[in-house]
Amino acid sequence: QKEVEQNSGPLSVPEGAIASLNCTYSDRGSQSFFWYRQYSGKSPELIMSIYSNGDKEDGRFTAQLNKASQYVSLLIRDSQPSDSATYLCAVNRNNDMRFGAGTRLTVKP
Amino acid sequence: EPEVTQTPSHQVTQMGQEVILRCVPISNHLYFYWYRQILGQKVEFLVSFYNNEISEKSEIFDDQFSVERPDGSNFTLKIRSTKLEDSAMYFCASRTGTGAWQGGYTFGSGTRLTVV
Repeated sequence: QKEVEQNSGPLSVPEGAIASLNCTYSDRGSQSFFWYRQYSGKSPELIMSIYSNGDKEDGRFTAQLNKASQYVSLLIRDSQPSDSATYLCAVNRNNDMRFGAGTRLTVKP
Repeated sequence: EPEVTQTPSHQVTQMGQEVILRCVPISNHLYFYWYRQILGQKVEFLVSFYNNEISEKSEIFDDQFSVERPDGSNFTLKIRSTKLEDSAMYFCASRTGTGAWQGGYTFGSGTRLTVV
C-alpha cells in the first residue's frame, strides 16, 4: 500500500528562521519526489522536485532525499510570512503520484 | 506561462444527477490526471490517463466515475450519479515526458463540486 506520511503541524517559525518539513513514504519502488505548496482554497503549486539521493537547492529551498530511509525533507531558509501555507509531500511511481496530508506552516512576522 | 484550465470553477448539483467536469491540459503534455480534495483533507489521486486510455486508477475511482478525452484538447471527468460524499474540490493536472523523472504535475485551479 502506498502511503506518504507527514506531520500535520501546525509548524510555527519566526520570520527569518529555517523551517524544516519532513516526509516518509512506504513504497520502496517510488521514483520521484516532490514538494508542493498549497494556499487555502487554491491548487497545489510545485516548488521542488528531487529524484536522486542527496540535497537539491533552489533559492531559499533545499530538498533532501534518503531512499534507504524512505525519507524526504524540505528546508526553507529565511522564512517569510508569504511562505505561510500547507506544504504537501508527493511521491510518484510510474504514473501514480500520491500526496501526504500536508504540514501547515505559519511564519510569524 | 502555460496553464491547465478547468471549468466550471464551482458547480452545485442535486444528489443522483450526473456531472461532467472539464479540463484543458497544457497542449504539449501527454499525461493527464484527476485528483480530488475533500474540504480539510488530503489531495487524493483518482485516475491517470495516457494515450487515450486509463493507465492507473485508485480505489476511489469506481464505476460511477469515467474519464474521456473527446476531442484532443479537453479532458473530462464524469460522475454518473452524484452522492453527498462526492462534494469536494476536483483538480485536473497534466505533465509531459515519458518517465517518472520528467517533472512534477501542473495543476488547474480546480472545480468545487457541491452535491445537495
